[in-house]
Amino acid sequence: EAQVTQNPRYLITVTGKKLTVTCSQNMNHEYMSWYRQDPGLGLRQIYYSMNVEVTDKGDVPEGYKVSRKEKRNFPLILESPSPNQTSLYFCATGLSGGAGEQFFGPGTRLTVL
Amino acid sequence: AQSVTQLGSHVSVSEGALVLLRCNYSSSVPPYLFWYVQYPNQGLQLLLKYTSAATLVKGINGFEAEFKKSETSFHLTKPSAHMSDAAEYFCAVSERDTGGFKTIFGAGTRLFVKA
Repeated sequence: EAQVTQNPRYLITVTGKKLTVTCSQNMNHEYMSWYRQDPGLGLRQIYYSMNVEVTDKGDVPEGYKVSRKEKRNFPLILESPSPNQTSLYFCATGLSGGAGEQFFGPGTRLTVL
Repeated sequence: AQSVTQLGSHVSVSEGALVLLRCNYSSSVPPYLFWYVQYPNQGLQLLLKYTSAATLVKGINGFEAEFKKSETSFHLTKPSAHMSDAAEYFCAVSERDTGGFKTIFGAGTRLFVKA
């Protein structure tokens, strides 16, 4: 089954404790992206990756890091989380480099205390 | 810079009534436009997309959208609402950027369907 998986699905942590949210896809897509969803703001793009070893900033990259060492994985790293990073995070993948349909993971709800 | 505006954070219709969700965008180049739907506690799934092949785009579940360049709009419609259409709807635009394609989403419109 074609899917995008995220782990963990739920995470409660404390300010400053480094964390990683993993994203993995089995659809052989080149394009991957991370979004955060906040009430009233819709989804905002954090980072995207056109292919392996190529990443670029979205609209809200501050406080986040990503790496794309292999096609199927695109982890999101919060080196020093802060309460304003409490949000619902979605990973997405696509065939057409962001110009086409994106397939979304189930989401990771992060709370930073 | 691109932006997406969805008019109305909440829209309520009666079952069987017309659904109209509004989306206006700004883009300096011809954009790729999308509508996604999000059901409670789920990720987003694509309803339809405009990629310059035709101005009237048909999607899943009876939805369609019309691209109007002169109005920079891409409104979503469905002739007859069903209870199962209750969800949040997002308009999005993808535009080529230095590193590839960036995607901007609107703030979303929550659709309520009354029996």
